[in-house]
Amino acid sequence: DGGITQSPKYLFRKEGQNVTLSCEQNLNHDAMYWYRQDPGQGLRLIYYSQIVNDFQKGDIAEGYSVSREKKESFPLTVTSAQKNPTAFYLCASSAGQGFYEQYFGPGTRLTVT
Amino acid sequence: QKEVEQNSGPLSVPEGAIASLNCTYSDRGSQSFFWYRQYSGKSPELIMFIYSNGDKEDGRFTAQLNKASQYVSLLIRDSQPSDSATYLCAVNQDTGGFKTIFGAGTRLFVKA
Repeated sequence: DGGITQSPKYLFRKEGQNVTLSCEQNLNHDAMYWYRQDPGQGLRLIYYSQIVNDFQKGDIAEGYSVSREKKESFPLTVTSAQKNPTAFYLCASSAGQGFYEQYFGPGTRLTVT
Repeated sequence: QKEVEQNSGPLSVPEGAIASLNCTYSDRGSQSFFWYRQYSGKSPELIMFIYSNGDKEDGRFTAQLNKASQYVSLLIRDSQPSDSATYLCAVNQDTGGFKTIFGAGTRLFVKA
């Protein structure tokens, strides 16, 4: 059963703590993405990766970090430097960059207090 | 000017009617266009993609693309209450590396 999984579904953290969100895909896609969505807002790109061991900053990369050590996995770390980390985080993948459509995981809702 | 613009809505239509959702984009070099449906609290789900001018039909959904006027639309025929969701328009742009730009979405409400 092909798809994208994200865990956990809900995550609660105290301010000042780093937290890592998991994203795994078994679609054999080369490209993976992380987006942030705030209530009533569109998607904003945090980071993306076209191939293993390579990734680029998106529009709002400050306070976030990623790694891409395996094709299937693209974890996102929300660091204590991120000023407003509470949001809905979405991971997506596509066959490649360019014309290809993106498929989304179920998302992780992060609350930082 | 926003790169991908959508009317935020809500757009309210009666059950069985045609819902028409519109999207305009700023980059003339855009190559591919997507419509996603997002239910409240859920992740976006791909409905359709279109690359060429004209219409593309898939079941009750029709995507329409007009590159000269830089707009793309989604028609939903025989609208059902289950179609009530936010619809996101997304456009791929070649900005020295392809990038997908998402609109903020249009909320659709189908009244039973």
